[in-house]
Amino acid sequence: GAVVSQHPSWVICKSGTSVKIECRSLDFQATTMFWYRQFPKQSLMLMATSNEGSKATYEQGVEKDKFLINHASLTLSTLTVTSAHPEDSSFYICSAPGTSGYNEQFFGPGTRLTVL
Amino acid sequence: LAKTTQPISMDSYEGQEVNITCSHNNIATNDYITWYQQFPSQGPRFIIQGYKTKVTNEVASLFIPADRKSSTLSLPRVSLSDTAVYYCLVGDPGFQKLVFGTGTRLLVSP
Repeated sequence: GAVVSQHPSWVICKSGTSVKIECRSLDFQATTMFWYRQFPKQSLMLMATSNEGSKATYEQGVEKDKFLINHASLTLSTLTVTSAHPEDSSFYICSAPGTSGYNEQFFGPGTRLTVL
Repeated sequence: LAKTTQPISMDSYEGQEVNITCSHNNIATNDYITWYQQFPSQGPRFIIQGYKTKVTNEVASLFIPADRKSSTLSLPRVSLSDTAVYYCLVGDPGFQKLVFGTGTRLLVSP
């Protein structure tokens, strides 16, 4: 089946620094990818839709200047958390839609971000 | 996107059948019902999808009544490894954006 990877799996950074998270579709192409954030014991919250070759679409309340998304190729989307603060600490998950006709998304394993 | 309502949590024992019901009163004609499973610190995993009546795969069954205002995910003979959060989503298959509800936290005990 389709596989989506994320790198890194976890990262710890100092407040004020920027962190880049990569999302790759390993055996299929994805013109669209999605980024989610999940706080402990809570559900996934959709942050943005990453579109290959064009600007990302952000959900209401998500700061596009803080969460930079680049979809440089058909297999790679990156999320950069700029000027990270402790409140940005969360579990970040990406997904890419399958091509089977079902509304099936393939999710990455997630990236745990901790901002000190 | 249709809003869904699920129980916050459920408890079960190994070997039992677990049924998780999801309410989606405002489901649209084109909407399908999809269930995902999420283990701690992992991304969700697709379990099953259906439009009406019954769908079965190697993992679960999905029962959808005629009015489609609810659906039931059935997990036969659960094991400890089925302890996870289960999310019910409804949406048009052509609409790829997913909106997750609260999910149901299933705890399977020995």
